[in-house]
Amino acid sequence: ETGVTQTPRHLVMGMTNKKSLKCEQHLGHNAMYWYKQSAKKPLELMFVYNFKEQTENNSVPSRFSPECPNSSHLFLHLHTLQPEDSALYLCASSQDRRHFEKLFFGSGTQLSVL
Amino acid sequence: AQSVSQHNHHVILSEAASLELGCNYSYGGTVNLFWYVQYPGQHLQLLLKYFSGDPLVKGIKGFEAEFIKSKFSFNLRKPSVQWSDTAEYFCAVTPYNTDKLIFGTGTRLQVFP
Repeated sequence: ETGVTQTPRHLVMGMTNKKSLKCEQHLGHNAMYWYKQSAKKPLELMFVYNFKEQTENNSVPSRFSPECPNSSHLFLHLHTLQPEDSALYLCASSQDRRHFEKLFFGSGTQLSVL
Repeated sequence: AQSVSQHNHHVILSEAASLELGCNYSYGGTVNLFWYVQYPGQHLQLLLKYFSGDPLVKGIKGFEAEFIKSKFSFNLRKPSVQWSDTAEYFCAVTPYNTDKLIFGTGTRLQVFP
């Protein structure tokens, strides 16, 4: 276990649904990240939060909405997704943004959009 | 744009075979280099990293990687693979003095007993 927990592990949703992915870390880290892992594509950085402030939005469509209420929790709210959004969504954390390469990943949420 | 290429998408080996997974990057300046591994059903974890110094880097579980600056490469090697090495391997690069971690597409390794 890395200390980064993601729920749910699997999620199937329709294009009109609203759902949320949750990430929790108990490592005392101050930076949290959302990555998207699609088959045969590089891992894509979506959002970065450092000390609860969003520091990066990597041109992600507005149907993905992140929320970081505190340094230990990170959410990804999903609304009116498209089938091409089906992927593994990974949460990661690091001590802070400067230690971005020492990432601790969660196991991911496998999302299927029908 | 900066990118990382892993040309081997799927590698199948028998136990005790030698392994070399290719990684090339497109960036002309100083870089930091990483290999991550994702075992089936598990999280991504750091296998080894290169920042500076000896270009031959030793990682966990007998893995090593060699940075060849002239070839923009950071290939991963293991002299004798085991069934437990079955996993997906990701190369990643950070251009120096940036906070961008750029991943490759990954290589799926299957090792048969």
